[in-house]
Amino acid sequence: RKEVEQDPGPFNVPEGATVAFNCTYSNSASQSFFWYRQDCRKEPKLLMSVYSSGNEDGRFTAQLNRASQYISLLIRDSKLSDSATYLCVVNNGPGGSYIPTFGRGTSLIVHP
Amino acid sequence: DAGVIQSPRHEVTEMGQEVTLRCKPISGHNSLFWYRQTMMRGLELLIYFNNNVPIDDSGMPEDRFSAKMPNASFSTLKIQPSEPRDSAVYFCASSEQSYEQYFGPGTRLTVT
Repeated sequence: RKEVEQDPGPFNVPEGATVAFNCTYSNSASQSFFWYRQDCRKEPKLLMSVYSSGNEDGRFTAQLNRASQYISLLIRDSKLSDSATYLCVVNNGPGGSYIPTFGRGTSLIVHP
Repeated sequence: DAGVIQSPRHEVTEMGQEVTLRCKPISGHNSLFWYRQTMMRGLELLIYFNNNVPIDDSGMPEDRFSAKMPNASFSTLKIQPSEPRDSAVYFCASSEQSYEQYFGPGTRLTVT
């Protein structure tokens, strides 16, 4: 089983739609979680951190479910500019060290 | 405020040649990461430095790869000798206290 798994998609949605992605992780001791966005031929950019209590930033909501070992990203009112690949990152390591593991990413295409 | 700086942005070299990639992290960040991204394998962590000390290099593919961080503002990733299968985009990222990472623009390496 891979450490961090994501549905590669693509998710093809119309403008204005709500779309959600999940990311599952295998290490129950994982300590912190993030969502990154990567545009074609660009570097990944931090989208948001995922806190135990959830995190909302405008149209984006991230949640953590430790019992089922997954994180989620919800995008409301999708815009054309949201088209990108969304990468989840799970951070774990011995003794509190930080070893980030990236998922392969979920591709989102928002069409007019 | 300058972000992570990488050079060169593009590198084309012949098999067997030495390749050196360079990275300048964000000032004040004490963690530095080197990644490799390919279509087949996604984003892979190669090595992670904390306070200039290598913490985890388990992702370094083989002895042909080496990385150094002689001071807080500079790191190199060297491949010697290079092989066609090393062709990929190499990203450097830095973070403060090992939390959110900020990526450089990447070096696109092609080995012929």
